[in-house]
Amino acid sequence: QKEVEQNSGPLSVPEGAIASLNCTYSDRGSQSFFWYRQYSGKSPELIMFIYSNGDKEDGRFTAQLNKASQYVSLLIRDSQPSDSATYLCAVIEGRGYQKVTFGTGTKLQVIP
Amino acid sequence: DGGITQSPKYLFRKEGQNVTLSCEQNLNHDAMYWYRQDPGQGLRLIYYSQIVNDFQKGDIAEGYSVSREKKESFPLTVTSAQKNPTAFYLCASSFWQDYNEQFFGPGTRLTVL
Repeated sequence: QKEVEQNSGPLSVPEGAIASLNCTYSDRGSQSFFWYRQYSGKSPELIMFIYSNGDKEDGRFTAQLNKASQYVSLLIRDSQPSDSATYLCAVIEGRGYQKVTFGTGTKLQVIP
Repeated sequence: DGGITQSPKYLFRKEGQNVTLSCEQNLNHDAMYWYRQDPGQGLRLIYYSQIVNDFQKGDIAEGYSVSREKKESFPLTVTSAQKNPTAFYLCASSFWQDYNEQFFGPGTRLTVL
């Protein structure tokens, strides 16, 4: 059973701080990694994807991938109250295969 | 505007009834997916389809059925055989190529009375 693990939280950070969200996965052959943001009662919204080891930055968001250690993380700089949501980590097993395994999500609370 | 639509937004079902959830996309995506989300749980795959007239079971297909007669449409039927159907149902779509991300519709919340 391929697994994607996330701490359920809640992770509380003050406004303006850096929020760090982590995700580990069990399948060493995993190729593609995604971070979705889900507000309460809404559908997931894709915010970042990463395929290669290292960092990928997009605005206030940075995704970090370490395939050797089988973890992927999401950093949110200058956290805002509007960032308060559940963040889902998702992993695709291999090339050309789109079956995605989702983590259960980490709830982030940004305190004004 | 391109996107994925789901209807209805809320659906109430009596026990023993079949209901059909609609999912339409105009993104020209090849693949479509149905997920179920329960409180405190991740998304679980029900069915997915790579091309028209072809679909595959996901992890929790029992009690559900789908069809893919058109590229744009992938309706999900929740049958009376599904013992615990109350959940948030999400439809997604993507291109069927390497590394292509999935985009989600707004979801349908199904409640069994």
